[in-house]
Amino acid sequence: AQKITQTQPGMFVQEKEAVTLDCTYDTSDPSYGLFWYKQPSSGEMIFLIYQGSYDQQNATEGRYSLNFQKARKSANLVISASQLGDSAMYFCAMRDLERKAAGNKLTFGGGTRVLVKP
Amino acid sequence: DGGITQSPKYLFRKEGQNVTLSCEQNLNHDAMYWYRQDPGQGLRLIYYSQIVNDFQKGDIAEGYSVSREKKESFPLTVTSAQKNPTAFYLCASSAGYSNQPQHFGDGTRLSIL
Repeated sequence: AQKITQTQPGMFVQEKEAVTLDCTYDTSDPSYGLFWYKQPSSGEMIFLIYQGSYDQQNATEGRYSLNFQKARKSANLVISASQLGDSAMYFCAMRDLERKAAGNKLTFGGGTRVLVKP
Repeated sequence: DGGITQSPKYLFRKEGQNVTLSCEQNLNHDAMYWYRQDPGQGLRLIYYSQIVNDFQKGDIAEGYSVSREKKESFPLTVTSAQKNPTAFYLCASSAGYSNQPQHFGDGTRLSIL
């Protein structure tokens, strides 16, 4: 079974600074994908970035980058130059990429709340 | 614009009552999902469907039922057997390709009267 752990329940970050959100995972699947989502207070889930387990390079998407360390089973999200609008819950999730019976289901971590201070 | 529409935004349930949450997508996605989110916690999978007329239980299916009669629609019924239904419910869809993200609706907040 897959498991995602986000150990930081909440974080403060100063506007314009970078912040790293931790995500560790446990899986026996050889091929998997890791996703990060942002959930503002309004509730919708916004997809941020994706990393495949066999991708050679760390994923980047604008101000978001993923520090993927496969041997340590970690996929930390880095948000650079934080903005007030980055205040939200952030969720790490993973999916088995090989077993069709898994149905592309996502397993979510418990989330990290980020509050950006002006 | 393509997207996922959930309705209603807020829903109240009386004791012993079944209520149905609507989820419609116009993204032409094959797969659809229902998640439950309790305050301050992550999402837990209730049911999912990979194709029309087929669906599977997720991790917390007890007290819930679904149908998938059309590709665009995946309604969730919260039955009276679900003793603690107060939560935020999110519907999602995906193209079915493993590296594609799931796209989410805006959610429905269900409370007990």
